[in-house]
Amino acid sequence: DQQVKQNSPSLSVQEGRISILNCDYTNSMFDYFLWYKKYPAEGPTFLISISSIKDKNEDGRFTVFLNKSAKHLSLHIVPSQPGDSAVYFCAAAAKGADGLTFGKGTHLIIQP
Amino acid sequence: EAQVTQNPRYLITVTGKKLTVTCSQNMNHEYMSWYRQDPGLGLRQIYYSMNVEVTDKGDVPEGYKVSRKEKRNFPLILESPSPNQTSLYFCASRKGRISYNEQFFGPGTRLTVL
Repeated sequence: DQQVKQNSPSLSVQEGRISILNCDYTNSMFDYFLWYKKYPAEGPTFLISISSIKDKNEDGRFTVFLNKSAKHLSLHIVPSQPGDSAVYFCAAAAKGADGLTFGKGTHLIIQP
Repeated sequence: EAQVTQNPRYLITVTGKKLTVTCSQNMNHEYMSWYRQDPGLGLRQIYYSMNVEVTDKGDVPEGYKVSRKEKRNFPLILESPSPNQTSLYFCASRKGRISYNEQFFGPGTRLTVL
């Protein structure tokens, strides 16, 4: 049973436009959420995170929104750049637990 | 440079032949983890370690062993590999239990078990 779901395996966006990646979760114990970015032949790298006490966190071109009632979070990238083409993983941490639960990932392709 | 290194990066082996994937970090991190990534499944935690000589099972520990004799090293041991352990493996380290923002991943080890 997938506790963190990324229902879009891939997403294609034109350069300069907004990219929106979505993530849903089912476990009410999750209280911290992260987005990781992964290039081919490299390990994931941390991108941005949000605590469950917030509904928005912004870092430059990247913004994460959290809707706790809907158990949904999204990552917005504005404007999208060619270097943003990568696989993005949504991950969640439960209070008191060790380790992260990851989604399957969304492959973002930025078209020139 | 802060990094997590894994060796080997690629390995093809046969069923039942014991193997070890090494992981080393140079950041003096207490927490280290092993994940495997499979198509359609994302990353799943195999084992983790909170400090030297302290390890615990993650979500998919069957068929794996780990050890943490030194702070910097966290090898993953497959005593008798099977084809269902064909996967992409990542080692990760972080300073503390909830320091996920500062979690570093290694480059990955692609293992094929024939």
